[in-house]
Amino acid sequence: DAGVIQSPRHEVTEMGQEVTLRCKPISGHDYLFWYRQTMMRGLELLIYFNNNVPIDDSGMPEDRFSAKMPNASFSTLKIQPSEPRDSAVYFCASRAAGDSSSQPQHFGDGTRLSIL
Amino acid sequence: EDKVVQSPLSLVVHEGDTVTLNCSYEVTNFRSLLWYKQEKKAPTFLFMLTSSGIEKKSGRLSSILDKKELSSILNITATQTGDSAIYLCAAGGFNAGNNRKLIWGLGTSLAVNP
Repeated sequence: DAGVIQSPRHEVTEMGQEVTLRCKPISGHDYLFWYRQTMMRGLELLIYFNNNVPIDDSGMPEDRFSAKMPNASFSTLKIQPSEPRDSAVYFCASRAAGDSSSQPQHFGDGTRLSIL
Repeated sequence: EDKVVQSPLSLVVHEGDTVTLNCSYEVTNFRSLLWYKQEKKAPTFLFMLTSSGIEKKSGRLSSILDKKELSSILNITATQTGDSAIYLCAAGGFNAGNNRKLIWGLGTSLAVNP
């Protein structure tokens, strides 16, 4: 079975550029999560969707960050303009419907983002 | 404020040793505790614990939740070099708006030397 698919795997760009990260959740999963992982702060939840609707975006660090989920099989996380401090590994995860006490999240392989 | 604290931050052992990783949590409206293993890429799910005192096992790995102490441990017996990874703990609950939340610890980095 296909897991969560993220692209690109690596992204290196100059500060000020727009960056778009993409995610395809596991088919049939109703929840989609975007995380950022750094050595200093660990895994941080940025935003999550339920049935394509953003539920909690309190983790989005600034207005430079935005996320969309136009349909059940695709989501994007956009950073515009990007800054060096945005360098991190960005993970997308999805899980099936139901109480979170019974359904674990499944992670994609992440996008390693480097802003020069 | 909700938080999850893992200890130790890092650990180096020899193959065959037994290790115990700790996770303590303070999460309002707590529902579940999860353990993940992260090698080079994505965190992969190990265990989900919701009931206190009931051990979950998978091969050489086992975990148990203590709701009274607000903590959980992950045990790995007869460690192998393939167990080298970062082990992440996360506690799930509900926030004030009744939305689900998952609070993550920083992880324990385990290195198993041959």
